[in-house]
Amino acid sequence: QKEVEQDPGPLSVPEGAIVSLNCTYSNSAFQYFMWYRQYSRKGPELLMYTYSSGNKEDGRFTAQVDKSSKYISLFIRDSQPSDSATYLCGCAGGTSYGKLTFGQGTILTVHP
Amino acid sequence: GAGVSQSPSNKVTEKGKDVELRCDPISGHTALYWYRQSLGQGLEFLIYFQGNSAPDKSGLPSDRFSAERTGGSVSTLTIQRTQQEDSAVYLCASSPRNNEQFFGPGTRLTVL
Repeated sequence: QKEVEQDPGPLSVPEGAIVSLNCTYSNSAFQYFMWYRQYSRKGPELLMYTYSSGNKEDGRFTAQVDKSSKYISLFIRDSQPSDSATYLCGCAGGTSYGKLTFGQGTILTVHP
Repeated sequence: GAGVSQSPSNKVTEKGKDVELRCDPISGHTALYWYRQSLGQGLEFLIYFQGNSAPDKSGLPSDRFSAERTGGSVSTLTIQRTQQEDSAVYLCASSPRNNEQFFGPGTRLTVL
């Protein structure tokens, strides 16, 4: 079993929909959680960074971390075709020197 | 400001040849990470630098892989005697601390 599990999708939604992306993890030492967006043939772009449990909001994006259930989420409101990309969750913590363990990535398509 | 840069963007080589991949981190970022992204394995950690030292090399897949960092800045990842299974996108990330990581565009390596 991988340390970080993420449904690869693909996920297809209409423009304007609320998108929910999720990951589960097994390593209780993880304390830092990041969401990246990756367009085809580009490097991952940092969207959200959270430490420990709680919510963080930035524009149309909200990241949630529930350490008790080892579950992290990214919500995208009013989704746009430009949000079509692969979304990666990454977790770090413990004695890992900050190295990230990633989920497989979820492919999202927002159609007009 | 300038982000993480990597060169070359694409590299095609023949099996058995050595290759060098370069990463220029964001100025002032002391932590530097190399990851590899391939279809079957997702995004995997290779090596971590803090300054010029590498306290975590646990992700390097074999002794054909090595990396160095000089002046606390530029890093080079070297793959000796390349094999077809080394074909992947090699990504570099830098961080001002051991948490938020900012990725470069990657080097796409193809071993024929």
